[in-house]
Amino acid sequence: AQKVTQAQTEISVVEKEDVTLDCVYETRDTTYYLFWYKQPPSGELVFLIRRNSFDEQNEISGRYSWNFQKSTSSFNFTITASQVVDSAVYFCALSEEIGGTSYGKLTFGQGTILTVHP
Amino acid sequence: DTGVSQDPRHKITKRGQNVTFRCDPISEHNRLYWYRQTLGQGPEFLTYFQNEAQLEKSRLLSDRFSAERPKGSFSTLEIQRTEQGDSAMYLCASSLSVSVGTGELFFGEGSRLTVL
Repeated sequence: AQKVTQAQTEISVVEKEDVTLDCVYETRDTTYYLFWYKQPPSGELVFLIRRNSFDEQNEISGRYSWNFQKSTSSFNFTITASQVVDSAVYFCALSEEIGGTSYGKLTFGQGTILTVHP
Repeated sequence: DTGVSQDPRHKITKRGQNVTFRCDPISEHNRLYWYRQTLGQGPEFLTYFQNEAQLEKSRLLSDRFSAERPKGSFSTLEIQRTEQGDSAMYLCASSLSVSVGTGELFFGEGSRLTVL
């Protein structure tokens, strides 16, 4: 069975601070996909990034960066120079890989509530 | 707006009543998913459709729940004889099939159910 754990329930930072959200996962699959989604107060989950288990290259996209370490089953997400608009619930998720892409049945973590104060 | 739309956004009902939620996916997406999210938790998978075929159902989907996608376009999720434990946000998502695209899910804003 798949499991995703986000140990941080809530994080509070002041604007312009860097913040890292932790994610640890468990799966018996040898190939899989990892995701980060953002859920603002409106409720709609917004896709941020997808990584497959073959691609351990870390990525930076603007103020966002991701650190995928297969050896420790972790997929952490960092926001650099946080802004008030980053305040939301962030979810890490895991899915099987089928046919070279993600199978849409996602296993989500419990979420981390990020509050960025001005 | 060509995103995933859900209706109604909020529903308050009394225990024992039936409720139905509708989801309109992104038009070219042939996969449609239902998830349930309770307060303070991540979404949990309920079921998914490829076109009109319901291909998988979670054990969370008791026999009081039924989902349909009659023409492979919109979908409905009906809950019969609602219980207070059914109170949750019901999220719909759509994607291209696994043979096309990244499999990324596009979520709607959800339908919040409160059972009194």
